[in-house]
Amino acid sequence: DTAVSQTPKYLVTQMGNDKSIKCEQNLGHDTMYWYKQDSKKFLKIMFSYNNKELIINETVPNRFSPKSPDKAHLNLHINSLELGDSAVYFCASSQVKVTGELFFGEGSRLTVL
Amino acid sequence: GENVEQHPSTLSVQEGDSAVIKCTYSDSASNYFPWYKQELGKRPQLIIDIRSNVGEKKDQRIAVTLNKTAKHFSLHITETQPEDSAVYFCAASPSSNSNYQLIWGAGTKLIIKP
Repeated sequence: DTAVSQTPKYLVTQMGNDKSIKCEQNLGHDTMYWYKQDSKKFLKIMFSYNNKELIINETVPNRFSPKSPDKAHLNLHINSLELGDSAVYFCASSQVKVTGELFFGEGSRLTVL
Repeated sequence: GENVEQHPSTLSVQEGDSAVIKCTYSDSASNYFPWYKQELGKRPQLIIDIRSNVGEKKDQRIAVTLNKTAKHFSLHITETQPEDSAVYFCAASPSSNSNYQLIWGAGTKLIIKP
């Protein structure tokens, strides 16, 4: 059983388009995250939700909008895609905020042409 | 704010030798230090972590040491094997007043030469 699953795994799209990535976790965790990993492999947190409430919103363009319909789901919508948005986006969840193990999804590789 | 520096960025060791990766942090109130391993094309996974009330922790071939005075912590891998090849990330949690985020190092690419 997949603990944290995200779809799609690959996204190839044109500049200016809008796209969404979905994430679901079946671990019963209260906290979910979106991370961006660029070509240099640096992991950068974008958003964190705790029980559907936004608790971290890093300096991310407002073209990125997270939505958490319930505590098991955290989706990411991106408007007006730019070349610099090309990256791997990881969803993650944890039972304990900050000092608990992060369980990552498989990642969604976004390529903007 | 908290800053985590990780060295080296790339480490190449002969199979069977030991590997050491070091991280330094700036916030003396940080209290949790995990290490994640990311194999090529895969997701990061926790391999070991340590809390500020402990100086060392071991799990088979991997160990983590923490020096709170010097504000650094290190990952030690002994008897390295080909499957240890991966990118390793350290992280630190700032003080309890933080907004629930880990601060990550930039990663170390570990290459095990056969």
